[in-house]
Amino acid sequence: QVQLQQWGAGLLKPSETLSLTCAVYRGSFSGFYWSWIRQSPGRGLEWIGEINHSGSTTYNPSLKSRVTISTDTSRNQFSLEMKSVTVADTAVYYCARGGFVVAGNLEYNWFDPWGQGTLVTVSS
Amino acid sequence: EVVMTQSPATLSVSPGERATLSCRASQSISSNLAWYQQKPGLAPRLLIYGASTRATGIPARFSGSGSGIEFSLTISSLQSEDFAIYYCLQYDNWPPYTFGQGTKLEVK
Repeated sequence: QVQLQQWGAGLLKPSETLSLTCAVYRGSFSGFYWSWIRQSPGRGLEWIGEINHSGSTTYNPSLKSRVTISTDTSRNQFSLEMKSVTVADTAVYYCARGGFVVAGNLEYNWFDPWGQGTLVTVSS
Repeated sequence: EVVMTQSPATLSVSPGERATLSCRASQSISSNLAWYQQKPGLAPRLLIYGASTRATGIPARFSGSGSGIEFSLTISSLQSEDFAIYYCLQYDNWPPYTFGQGTKLEVK
């Protein structure tokens, strides 16, 4: 059964860059889309963006200018970078598996499973 | 962006009773809706996808229905472990994928 394990820095200062990585174990990495999602009391659950094994990305328009998602297929990992963070970016960040392409269309694109979550606090 | 609105914000129900949670989309999303359960300190857990299909290992007391813009999640006989926060997710129209704000199911 596929499992996702994530890690990264939990305390940042305003204007710094958030960096998180998610590793995929016991399951296929290629063929699927992989997402980052965050959760905060003020914004609830917010989808950040997704990537597939070949590096094709889609981002939330509200975050697109600050976010980069990348993949390391040799290690079955994908990563999130968010630059110029502010206090408003304080949240629990999750990685999750999304859907896969069937006949050229992305299908079955709910999120399951999820990583364990990483609390990222932005504070001066 | 598709806005997902869940109601009520909080639902108080006694163990053993039935609970029905609602989720409304701002535009038609066909049956491209999932339901999640979240307990404190844990990641959301997939319950339902395709509006009505239970995920692997989810008990039969959980059922989903609806299509278009109106959806519901019903828990037929509440167990103690079912008291949690429930979220809906639309995956029909993206970016972005969007979640509802959640319904907290609490013990009456």
